[in-house]
Amino acid sequence: DAGITQSPRHKVTETGTPVTLRCHQTENHRYMYWYRQDPGHGLRLIHYSYGVKDTDKGEVSDGYSVSRSKTEDFLLTLESATSSQTSVYFCAISESTGLNTGELFFGEGSRLTVL
Amino acid sequence: DAKTTQPTSMDCAEGRAANLPCNHSTISGNEYVYWYRQIHSQGPQYIIHGLKNNETNEMASLIITEDRKSSTLILPHATLRDTAVYYCIVRVEGSARQLTFGSGTQLTVLP
Repeated sequence: DAGITQSPRHKVTETGTPVTLRCHQTENHRYMYWYRQDPGHGLRLIHYSYGVKDTDKGEVSDGYSVSRSKTEDFLLTLESATSSQTSVYFCAISESTGLNTGELFFGEGSRLTVL
Repeated sequence: DAKTTQPTSMDCAEGRAANLPCNHSTISGNEYVYWYRQIHSQGPQYIIHGLKNNETNEMASLIITEDRKSSTLILPHATLRDTAVYYCIVRVEGSARQLTFGSGTQLTVLP
């Protein structure tokens, strides 16, 4: 299995508080992604990174920010959590997005509940 | 991006082949077909991908029609552990952003 660790795995917080989820990889892969998964919506891309300090938005980026100061760490921050951000968050990594590649490896998920 | 259409759910008897269809009628020439699966509460797992030729690996086979408008994932001898949601994804070459998961097919393997 790919070396991906998400922390925390479970978190309960209150509306308006900041939350940071961490994704740590030991594979030295270039690309890292944050997805959220909600019933009826499948997996939706929040943000992704294509290198240190290089990030871009996905389809549901509002209310989220990310940072990647090291190859191995990709942080997802909710500056002021809302109940609509209650979800399961998955981190993924990949080595390349080029021809015949782009396989994603996923972490085990972080379950966030915003009360 | 090409959109995919999959049945919401399917059942399969243990030991039999599971054939999961996917329609992607608007697929373009540089888009690959990827399959992932997600076992309950775990992160998705890559299964297989292809461009236009049929592909086989230790997990499954992927059959892509000649016009590339549809494909079928085949699990040759389904086991109870294959019960999962299976996602068919078409992906633009060279774009990390466009890997979008739909709702997938819930495959239930029955004993």
